[in-house]
Amino acid sequence: AQSVAQPEDQVNVAEGNPLTVKCTYSVSGNPYLFWYVQYPNRGLQFLLKYITGDNLVKGSYGFEAEFNKSQTSFHLKKPSALVSDSALYFCAATSGTYKYIFGTGTRLKVLA
Amino acid sequence: GAVVSQHPSRVICKSGTSVKIECRSLDFQATTMFWYRQFPKQSLMLMATSNEGSKATYEQGVEKDKFLINHASLTLSTLTVTSAHPEDSSFYICSAIGQGMNTEAFFGQGTRLTVV
Repeated sequence: AQSVAQPEDQVNVAEGNPLTVKCTYSVSGNPYLFWYVQYPNRGLQFLLKYITGDNLVKGSYGFEAEFNKSQTSFHLKKPSALVSDSALYFCAATSGTYKYIFGTGTRLKVLA
Repeated sequence: GAVVSQHPSRVICKSGTSVKIECRSLDFQATTMFWYRQFPKQSLMLMATSNEGSKATYEQGVEKDKFLINHASLTLSTLTVTSAHPEDSSFYICSAIGQGMNTEAFFGQGTRLTVV
């Protein structure tokens, strides 16, 4: 079965420090990979996507993600975390059918 | 980017009543719309896929008679939760894709349904 895994339920990081939110996938073919952020009682906000090309993808709000095909990973990163980055982050993948397979989400808490 | 709007953003209804949630694509024609459900502190689970003008395709375990989906136009899909029960309380999110949009779907802001 195809799946997306986010192994950490929560990540805590001090403001100003770099952050990483992990994601691995098990999807057939060449998947499209996405990161979304969700604030309480809100929908999903798109951060970035990997379709093809450069393995390092830059997205909104200073976030970036690195696609690693051999490790089937797509970790989300930011060089310097802000308190306002505290939210729920979802990794997702599609195999081209637009049926998104979501990870379970990782709650990011940035401490002042 | 393309905009998808859901209405209402939150709704409270009594047990046994039905409630309708709308999902609109504001600036593109949505050939396909998707409905997701999110339980507290859990991920989004795909409920069904709807193509304009045809019947929705439901995921395994989703009751089609309980969650009625209509996609009658290229800009509107509706999800009707019939005879709602407290266990139907959840966050419902739609997404949409259109012709020429070949890399991603666009998500609505979600609807918080509370059944009392």
